[in-house]
Amino acid sequence: GENVEQHPSTLSVQEGDSAVIKCTYSDSASNYFPWYKQELGKRPQLIIDIRSNVGEKKDQRIAVTLNKTAKHFSLHITETQPEDSAVYFCAALFSGGYNKLIFGAGTRLAVHP
Amino acid sequence: DVKVTQSSRYLVKRTGEKVFLECVQDMDHENMFWYRQDPGLGLRLIYFSYDVKMKEKGDIPEGYSVSREKKERFSLILESASTNQTSMYLCASSFRTEQFFGPGTRLTVL
Repeated sequence: GENVEQHPSTLSVQEGDSAVIKCTYSDSASNYFPWYKQELGKRPQLIIDIRSNVGEKKDQRIAVTLNKTAKHFSLHITETQPEDSAVYFCAALFSGGYNKLIFGAGTRLAVHP
Repeated sequence: DVKVTQSSRYLVKRTGEKVFLECVQDMDHENMFWYRQDPGLGLRLIYFSYDVKMKEKGDIPEGYSVSREKKERFSLILESASTNQTSMYLCASSFRTEQFFGPGTRLTVL
């Protein structure tokens, strides 16, 4: 069945460093890959997404890359700040319809001042 | 601004009780979803609905049912609550791909 694997499960960086979170997916027909950020005690919110017709997308300090051949996509955060500390979830859209997302297990990012 | 609300932030129930979790969205979204969130397991889909009175099983539907009588409201029902259903429950809605989440209900079953 469809599956999304996410690594690492926890990530600790110093403020100003970069952070990279990686995901792989099983459904080769998936064509939409969002990333959600969940701060402590809050709801997940979409921070960036990418569709399969592009290989990279950037939004200020955040970028996402996609390798369709390898079925692999990554979130890159540069110049990390303490407010980037949160749990990040990757997801892939299930190609069978219904706009169903399959989520990874999450990465807890801690940015230390 | 999309607003997704859930009926309770915290709920404590006893084993065997019937539990209703309510979710309401105000953006006329067709699609609505129920997830449970557990540490290390991410967001797992329980049930979803793409139209009124329509429902589809997600990845972990056992022990749950749902109801969607109106477009804006999607209810999750635990017919007979068990301790392994202690979890954070998140509702979401979407028009196309982006899902908007509610604040979550932390359910404890004693």
